[in-house]
Amino acid sequence: GAVVSQHPSWVICKSGTSVKIECRSLDFQATTMFWYRQFPKQSLMLMATSNEGSKATYEQGVEKDKFLINHASLTLSTLTVTSAHPEDSSFYICSARLAGVRWNEQFFGPGTRLTVL
Amino acid sequence: EDKVVQSPLSLVVHEGDTVTLNCSYEVTNFRSLLWYKQEKKAPTFLFMLTSSGIEKKSGRLSSILDKKELFSILNITATQTGDSAIYLCAVGSVTGNQFYFGTGTSLTVIP
Repeated sequence: GAVVSQHPSWVICKSGTSVKIECRSLDFQATTMFWYRQFPKQSLMLMATSNEGSKATYEQGVEKDKFLINHASLTLSTLTVTSAHPEDSSFYICSARLAGVRWNEQFFGPGTRLTVL
Repeated sequence: EDKVVQSPLSLVVHEGDTVTLNCSYEVTNFRSLLWYKQEKKAPTFLFMLTSSGIEKKSGRLSSILDKKELFSILNITATQTGDSAIYLCAVGSVTGNQFYFGTGTSLTVIP
């Protein structure tokens, strides 16, 4: 149980285009999902917290107009990288948190490798 | 400012060695500390610690938390090449939804 999927697993795009990444909880409802970014050989950096039905909470230094997050349902959150540039190339990982007694656990998606040319 | 620091940043050991990874934190209203192992893709969950002094064990891995001194250690005994990975520590607070990740420790086990 507690499986999280991400789509696509990798994407290559041209500079200036927008890319949408989906994060789905497959067998549970996730009221909260998190989006992380990871550069090579570095730790995860929390970008934003996504709550179903409300606006995402962005971490300091993360441009909300650049990284649009939508949490339209209890099983789906999307991250759109708008007007992508080469410096946005990174590994983006989402995680979803269980409700109830296991609320302290979070389960990660497999990640999306974004390369902007 | 909440922060989580791991040490060492990287470690190279021989198979069979025992390693200890450290995680110290300064997080307001601490709730839990989690350890993850990350190989090529997303992190996989190892342990969750909420109380001081209670050791969690899973095979050759074990972990313990000290809430007074604000740190946790992850021990791996009789290391194997399959233990090579980045080990991440994350801390969650009562007041916030999010988890703060440490810098990670890159472990390489050579035959």
